[in-house]
Amino acid sequence: DGGITQSPKYLFRKEGQNVTLSCEQNLNHDAMYWYRQDPGQGLRLIYYSQIVNDFQKGDIAEGYSVSREKKESFPLTVTSAQKNPTAFYLCASSIPGAYGYTFGSGTRLTVV
Amino acid sequence: AQSVSQHNHHVILSEAASLELGCNYSYGGTVNLFWYVQYPGQHLQLLLKYFSGDPLVKGIKGFEAEFIKSKFSFNLRKPSVQWSDTAEYFCAVMIFSGGYNKLIFGAGTRLAVHP
Repeated sequence: DGGITQSPKYLFRKEGQNVTLSCEQNLNHDAMYWYRQDPGQGLRLIYYSQIVNDFQKGDIAEGYSVSREKKESFPLTVTSAQKNPTAFYLCASSIPGAYGYTFGSGTRLTVV
Repeated sequence: AQSVSQHNHHVILSEAASLELGCNYSYGGTVNLFWYVQYPGQHLQLLLKYFSGDPLVKGIKGFEAEFIKSKFSFNLRKPSVQWSDTAEYFCAVMIFSGGYNKLIFGAGTRLAVHP
């Protein structure tokens, strides 16, 4: 079945460490997105990419970095510069110009 | 800046009650509108969407939404809720800018339906 796979499901990080969240899709979608979900704040856009080797900052990109070396992969690195990284992270993909996104099951990151 | 406002953060209803969740957006250009639902422990799922045409759109599970352009609103309705509708509901607006499209979400509304 086609879909988006995010891993790991749960991730614990010590303060000061960088961590990378994986997002892989086999839907042949060109566009991919990373959102952060916090209670009472909905989903906020971190980074998005419409094609390979191109990505744009979203509304809350500070403290995060991404790469898009392959169409099917869009990993997100949460750096030590992100002051409040504990959150639920969702990856999504779509056909550019359309029509709704397909979401992954998310990664819950906790800083310990 | 573009934004999406959902009027209620928490809604509690009894089964068979009617539901209306408010959503307003601020963006003057062309938009596509969506309602997503997140059941406990599950993925975000698309409930319904509006692109053009009839402003009253029907989605899955008996949900519908009405786009009122003059009010920048896209309210979600269901005539009779069930316990299984307990979930968090997100309104979202897709805007097109600079060759990119972005989906902007509201803060969400948590719905609890009591038997």
